[in-house]
Amino acid sequence: GNSVTQMEGPVTLSEEAFLTINCTYTATGYPSLFWYVQYPGEGLQLLLKATKADDKGSNKGFEATYRKETTSFHLEKGSVQVSDSAVYFCALMGNQGGKLIFGQGTELSVKP
Amino acid sequence: DAGITQSPRHKVTETGTPVTLRCHQTENHRYMYWYRQDPGHGLRLIHYSYGVKDTDKGEVSDGYSVSRSKTEDFLLTLESATSSQTSVYFCAISESTSVYEQYFGPGTRLTVT
Repeated sequence: GNSVTQMEGPVTLSEEAFLTINCTYTATGYPSLFWYVQYPGEGLQLLLKATKADDKGSNKGFEATYRKETTSFHLEKGSVQVSDSAVYFCALMGNQGGKLIFGQGTELSVKP
Repeated sequence: DAGITQSPRHKVTETGTPVTLRCHQTENHRYMYWYRQDPGHGLRLIHYSYGVKDTDKGEVSDGYSVSRSKTEDFLLTLESATSSQTSVYFCAISESTSVYEQYFGPGTRLTVT
């Protein structure tokens, strides 16, 4: 079945450091891929998405490129801020639509 | 922000008691979902609804039932709560025309003692 694997956290960075959170997936067909962010005490918010191979999703300085050849969708940001501290979830939706499959989440802590 | 509320936000209950969680939306979206969030598991789908009175099971549906009698309300019921159902529960909604983009509620923290 479909699955998503993320790098384990927590990830601790200093402000202005470069961020990469790895995400790989297993799926049949051509899934859509997502990154969601959960700030402390809140629900999840969609951060960015990509619906086909080689698409790049971007939002708030974060980027991720849908790489079908490596079945990956790594999240990157060039310069993190303290306000980026949150839990980040990679997710996929298969061809059947509707059902999101989430990775286990990666906690990011950014120190001033 | 999408208009999604969940009630209660926090609940402590005893093993064996029934519990109902409510999700209410003001967006008139067709699809509604219930997830549970547990450390090391991310979010897992419990049940979802694709219209009034139309529901289906997710990957972790055992011990849970749902009902949707109105577009705006989606209820999750634990018929007899167990300690393994201690979790944070999230409701989500999506429009029928962009079913892949889901909007999440603030969550309900349930503790079963």
